[in-house]
Amino acid sequence: DARVTQTPRHKVTEMGQEVTMRCQPILGHNTVFWYRQTMMQGLELLAYFRNRAPLDDSGMPKDRFSAEMPDATLATLKIQPSEPRDSAVYFCASGLVRDGRWFTDTQYFGPGTRLTVL
Amino acid sequence: EDQVTQSPEALRLQEGESSSLNCSYTVSGLRGLFWYRQDPGKGPEFLFTLYSAGEEKEKERLKATLTKKESFLHITAPKPEDSATYLCAVQGGETSGSRLTFGEGTQLTVNP
Repeated sequence: DARVTQTPRHKVTEMGQEVTMRCQPILGHNTVFWYRQTMMQGLELLAYFRNRAPLDDSGMPKDRFSAEMPDATLATLKIQPSEPRDSAVYFCASGLVRDGRWFTDTQYFGPGTRLTVL
Repeated sequence: EDQVTQSPEALRLQEGESSSLNCSYTVSGLRGLFWYRQDPGKGPEFLFTLYSAGEEKEKERLKATLTKKESFLHITAPKPEDSATYLCAVQGGETSGSRLTFGEGTQLTVNP
């Protein structure tokens, strides 16, 4: 049963510290998404990649957030420096898209990283 | 800008009491409407994709339908294990790429 995996599942840190979240997409999926979910804003897209190249990072605060895909099996989301308003659940999702069409039904979500910034 | 509005925000049902959740959307060139289920502390779990008005899909007690302005998720004879937050999302026209825009969700509670 193929799944998206995320580490760590929980992270508590102090304001100003660097936070790195990792995601392993489902093998064979070429499109990887990062979302943030809060009670106030719901599920927001931060950025997404296709074949490891960033396609859209318009939802990401550029001054402190960065997202990369060092290889096809790893996506990272980094916050430096972290702030209390960054406290949220961060989800990674993956899917297979070719010629603009989903070859998987849609994108599949990981279990999330719950981040608390004190 | 693509927009999704879900109603009601919360719904409480008795076991066996059928009902429907609504997802109204505004999008330029709908390429897909998606329903997800999310349990507390977990990631959204895919349920259905609908592509065109008139399309319907079913899975156990759930049935999703689509019109040009909205989608409904019908729940027939729900059980307590159907309790979850149900999320609706749309994929807009070509300029949206693979971006999905999500609604705020409907929190469903089914009492035994």
